[in-house]
Amino acid sequence: GENVEQHPSTLSVQEGDSAVIKCTYSDSASNYFPWYKQELGKRPQLIIDIRSNVGEKKDQRIAVTLNKTAKHFSLHITETQPEDSAVYFCAASMNQAGTALIFGKGTTLSVSS
Amino acid sequence: DAGVIQSPRHEVTEMGQEVTLRCKPISGHDYLFWYRQTMMRGLELLIYFNNNVPIDDSGMPEDRFSAKMPNASFSTLKIQPSEPRDSAVYFCASSLMAGSRGYTFGSGTRLTVV
Repeated sequence: GENVEQHPSTLSVQEGDSAVIKCTYSDSASNYFPWYKQELGKRPQLIIDIRSNVGEKKDQRIAVTLNKTAKHFSLHITETQPEDSAVYFCAASMNQAGTALIFGKGTTLSVSS
Repeated sequence: DAGVIQSPRHEVTEMGQEVTLRCKPISGHDYLFWYRQTMMRGLELLIYFNNNVPIDDSGMPEDRFSAKMPNASFSTLKIQPSEPRDSAVYFCASSLMAGSRGYTFGSGTRLTVV
């Protein structure tokens, strides 16, 4: 089955700096890669996603890149703000096959002002 | 729609007791997922259903765990007997398609087994 590795497990940045979180996946058939943000004590919520026919996607300060050949994808957050502090999870699935999302172990991002 | 509803929000039980977690998915969603979250293992997929039928239960850790979905609006995750290592936050999520962006998580049940 699919296995998703996520790095780093913790990341501390200064407000205004950029943050990058990287994930690798094992199943070359995976074609859907979402990112979830989980604030303390809250449920995970989708912040951005990318499908295998796209190499990069942006939404304001966040962007995701995908390298299918290398089987890795990354989340980029620019101009970080204290409210970006949370746990971020990457995930992968074979969307068309109706398989469930498999999540990475998460990255705790701390943005200090 | 009220979203995915999980109950109870918190559960404290003694080792050896039976625990039942409940989930009501979003109306119309045909997939339902149970995940377990711990610091060490992150979000682990336990089992998921499509149209009330279990599709993959390979993530269920032991025979002590069981899940049912008797109808489209209700699912349960049961642990019997419970052990301290079962302490975690259990999330239920539902979607219109398994890997779609339509995943909506419930608020979770924080289980503590003492």
